[in-house]
Amino acid sequence: EVQVLESGGGLAQPGGSLRLSCAASGFTFTSHAMSWVRQAPGKGLEWVATVSDSGDRTAYPDSVKGRFIISRDNSKNMVYLQMNSLRAEDTAVYYCAKRKGLYLDYWGQGTLVTVSS
Amino acid sequence: EIVLTQSPATLSLSPGERATLSCRASQSVSSNLAWYQQRPGQPPRLLIYDASNRATGIPPRFSGSGSGTDFTLTISSLEPEDFAVYYCQQRSNWVTFGPGTKVDL
Repeated sequence: EVQVLESGGGLAQPGGSLRLSCAASGFTFTSHAMSWVRQAPGKGLEWVATVSDSGDRTAYPDSVKGRFIISRDNSKNMVYLQMNSLRAEDTAVYYCAKRKGLYLDYWGQGTLVTVSS
Repeated sequence: EIVLTQSPATLSLSPGERATLSCRASQSVSSNLAWYQQRPGQPPRLLIYDASNRATGIPPRFSGSGSGTDFTLTISSLEPEDFAVYYCQQRSNWVTFGPGTKVDL
């Protein structure tokens, strides 16, 4: 059974940092890119980052480029999202998701990040 | 950036009725479009990929159609568990999601 489990959310101050983790199991981890997608309270979905299956390629939208870093450890089946220079508008539930081709076929339950002083 | 618009924003229907949801892209995405369902308090679930292919375990009452800029998700006969928010997503140019259509009672 495919499982994706996020952790690391919590309260951070504006300008601060937070690192999210995502543990994946039940599939051949090294064969799939992984992504983070966020959802602000009561809002829609926003793609945040993608890392290739080998970890050598990453992609970000302009809203987080230069502030967020996605990485993976294929020896541990883990994906990470390092979030720096956090802003109030980064407050959201952050989902980790497995990529299947061009789409996201398995999602975790999400972890809530709140940026507030 | 390709912008996706969805209509209507809210669709009020009853169980057993047919639901037709629309997604329009600001430029062609070929068939590189997916639909997701999100129930309250749950993560999104992939329903349809490549515009018309049902994902694993998705019942046949869900169907997708379209190509280029205009796409449709049809639920042939609404079940109680289908009342949720539906998002379209394209991957022709980066990844963007539509704003969602809420199907409610």
